[in-house]
Amino acid sequence: QVHLVQSGAEVRKPGASVKVSCRASGYTFTGYFLHWVRQAPGQGLEWLGWMNPNSGGINYAQKFQGRVTMTRDTSISTAYMELSRLRSDDTAVYYCARDVGPFYFDMWGQGTMVTVSS
Amino acid sequence: EIVMTQSPATLSVSPGERATLSCRASQSVSSNLAWYQQKPGQAPRLLIYDAATRATGIPARFSGSGSGTEFTLTISSLQSEDFAVYFCQQYNTWPYTFGQGTKLEIK
Repeated sequence: QVHLVQSGAEVRKPGASVKVSCRASGYTFTGYFLHWVRQAPGQGLEWLGWMNPNSGGINYAQKFQGRVTMTRDTSISTAYMELSRLRSDDTAVYYCARDVGPFYFDMWGQGTMVTVSS
Repeated sequence: EIVMTQSPATLSVSPGERATLSCRASQSVSSNLAWYQQKPGQAPRLLIYDAATRATGIPARFSGSGSGTEFTLTISSLQSEDFAVYFCQQYNTWPYTFGQGTKLEIK
């Protein structure tokens, strides 16, 4: 069965960084692009970017250029999303999602709540 | 960036009735549109892709239509488990964008 399992909730102070992991199981990790999407409390969905787990190629939304880094470790079928210089408006649930489209998503992680507060 | 506008923000419908949700794109996205359902505390679930194709395991009461800038998600006979928030997403043009959602609530 296909699963994406994310790391647990994080609390950070403004200006800090956070790194969220997403472990894939039940399918070939390198066979599908992986995207990161976030959702602020009570708000809609915002796309951060995607990564090709096979090549390591990445594409970030312009809004997050310079602050987001997406990496992977194929030996453990895990993707990572690191967001730096955190602000209070980065408080959100961060999801990883498998791309079956291109560019629509059939499987999502359970979400990781990131809270940015002084 | 393409702006996706969903209407209405909240839709109140009785179980067994039909629900019609709308999604409008600020410019053409061809048929590159998906619909997702999200329940409280859960991740989104893919319902429809390519504007009208049901994803695996999605009941036939869910249907999508439209192309270009106007899209519709129809739920033919609402079941209790269908009350949730629904998002549309365009994947025609970078960056990929989502609508703000329609909350479908029990009348």
